[in-house]
Amino acid sequence: QVQLLQSGADMKKPGASVQVSCRTSGYTFIDYYMHWVRQAPGQGLEWLGRLNPKSGYADYGQNFQGRVTMTGDTSTNTAYMELTSLTSDDTAVYYCVRGLGGGAIRQWFDPWGQGALVTVSS
Amino acid sequence: QSVLTQPPSASGTPGQRVIISCSGTSSNIGINMVNWYQQVPGTAPKVVIYRNDQRPSGIPERFSGSKSGTSASLVISGLQSQDEATYYCSVWDASPNGWVFGGGTKLTVL
Repeated sequence: QVQLLQSGADMKKPGASVQVSCRTSGYTFIDYYMHWVRQAPGQGLEWLGRLNPKSGYADYGQNFQGRVTMTGDTSTNTAYMELTSLTSDDTAVYYCVRGLGGGAIRQWFDPWGQGALVTVSS
Repeated sequence: QSVLTQPPSASGTPGQRVIISCSGTSSNIGINMVNWYQQVPGTAPKVVIYRNDQRPSGIPERFSGSKSGTSASLVISGLQSQDEATYYCSVWDASPNGWVFGGGTKLTVL
């Protein structure tokens, strides 16, 4: 079955960078967009951006332009999300999630990874 | 605040019908298809309705969705205790380009 297995929880100091990985299995990695969504404690969902693993091209949410980079390794079927210049506002659970359905804007998200808690604290 | 507007809470008794609304604009719901996600506390979200009214395999027929103009609705009929969760609507927004979510509606089964 399709599985997205994310890296574990991480703690960073303000100003640092964090990388979260998402190892996939059960489907052809390059055939589906990979999205990243985060959820601050007790808050709603926020889209960070998406990666097209086939082309390597990524586009990012307006709130994260210049601070986030999404990449993929087709040899290991793993997606990566790096977020820089961290502040306490970046404390959240970060999810990778596959985009299903044809058309970049007609997709839905399924399945979701288990989430990776990133805590930013001095 | 969120681009899409949802009521923060909803409730119903077992067997009842509950409607959760999601209000957007002409740049998002007005021109694109809406998806709905269910999130049980401590777990990752799960899609329950995609492309306005499509139900993934494994999702009970009690769940249905619709869209009209710049608003969408999720309907849960025959409410069950396991439906207690937070529900989020989501859609592609053309201005600026990106996926957006509602603030979430916490559903309580009384």
